[in-house]
Amino acid sequence: QSALTQPASVSGSPGQSITISCTGTSSDVGGYNYVSWYQQHPGKAPKFMIYDVSSRPSGVSNRFSGSKSGNMASLTISGLQAEDEADYYCSSYTSNNTLYVVFGGGTKLTVL
Amino acid sequence: EVLLVESGGGLVQPGGSLRLSCVASGFTVSSSSVSWVRQAPGKGLECVSVIYGGRSTYYADSVKGRFTISRDNSKNTLYLQMDSLRAEDTAVYYCARDISWRQFDYWGQGTLVTVSS
Repeated sequence: QSALTQPASVSGSPGQSITISCTGTSSDVGGYNYVSWYQQHPGKAPKFMIYDVSSRPSGVSNRFSGSKSGNMASLTISGLQAEDEADYYCSSYTSNNTLYVVFGGGTKLTVL
Repeated sequence: EVLLVESGGGLVQPGGSLRLSCVASGFTVSSSSVSWVRQAPGKGLECVSVIYGGRSTYYADSVKGRFTISRDNSKNTLYLQMDSLRAEDTAVYYCARDISWRQFDYWGQGTLVTVSS
């Protein structure tokens, strides 16, 4: 399955805001409002951060927000903190494979 | 509290087999969709298999015919039988619960599978 496209890396200073993009097609991101985002610290399991494009699970900081326009979804982190430094993955429901899910390649966020 | 705990990983030679287990608590696997998602060293996430509440199973093309997903409802446990293992199957394998529409709200800690001679 073809992965969703994410930038390899982004960076920002503490207190700033950053946005990570996730580009797909009309068969995944553009066709369904089932985009989710995961945060992964080194050596740890992914953590569920955003679902249904823009909803936050209980316990996730409101500094994290999601949006979508056409075939591109975005994760915005405001008020960057040192602990936000991690890898971030997007995923989407897809009609392109029998597993009905496709992930992005991941983005490394560095807090300067 | 939902918890997923994987086990069964290890070092295996190419062509060998392993069975991974994922013990679930806090929810019932028989009425949920649960997937195996792997992550090769330094790489991204890849879903390799899913079992739905109704017992339907699906596989990624890369593992079809070699991997088998199953569950034991009495033990609330998910399994991944991996046969004919290849070097490219080397990865950390996570089990993950599907909250809806292939979005994963809970993940296990992962178990490392290394395929090497």
